[in-house]
Amino acid sequence: QQQVKQSPQSLIVQKGGISIINCAYENTAFDYFPWYQQFPGKGPALLIAIRPDVSEKKEGRFTISFNKSAKQFSLHIMDSQPGDSATYFCAASRGSSNTGKLIFGQGTTLQVKP
Amino acid sequence: KAGVTQTPRYLIKTRGQQVTLSCSPISGHRSVSWYQQTPGQGLQFLFEYFSETQRNKGNFPGRFSGRQFSNSRSEMNVSTLELGDSALYLCASSLGQGGREQYFGPGTRLTVT
Repeated sequence: QQQVKQSPQSLIVQKGGISIINCAYENTAFDYFPWYQQFPGKGPALLIAIRPDVSEKKEGRFTISFNKSAKQFSLHIMDSQPGDSATYFCAASRGSSNTGKLIFGQGTTLQVKP
Repeated sequence: KAGVTQTPRYLIKTRGQQVTLSCSPISGHRSVSWYQQTPGQGLQFLFEYFSETQRNKGNFPGRFSGRQFSNSRSEMNVSTLELGDSALYLCASSLGQGGREQYFGPGTRLTVT
């Protein structure tokens, strides 16, 4: 029940296209869902996060869609740019345990072709 | 504000040795979490510290330990190193206990030979 499953493992998108990465979780106690972006040689950087009382959150070109009944959430990158080429991780945590422990998906390597 | 800093950035050790990694959180952040990142297992939670107390621990053997100091700086220690301990060790800081917004440092790349 602690798993977060992420797909696809890798993704190639043309510049200007939409990149979509999906995650599914099992534990209904999860109540915080962040996305992280990681470039080679760097630590993950917090991109955007959502809580289950909201179905969508947008920040610039990045949008999280959240489907509580399906226990799924996704990251949409609009107008994808070569600079977006990185590995993306979804994650989840449980507030009731009063811990910041993040459970991560396996990651998606995104390549945006010029 | 300066970000999370980790030292050293790279480390090569031999099997059986021990290693200590250091993490300085963002100024004002009091919670520090550690994660191990490997190609096979991905990002896995090691432990979380708040107010110098371990608040949560992941599924790692007792060879992995940590501590937090009164200034919120944290160290993690791995004793009796194994080849499988080769990984990127990441530290993340957040404001308070159970802090949701975690900010990661650049990591320490540990290679065990």
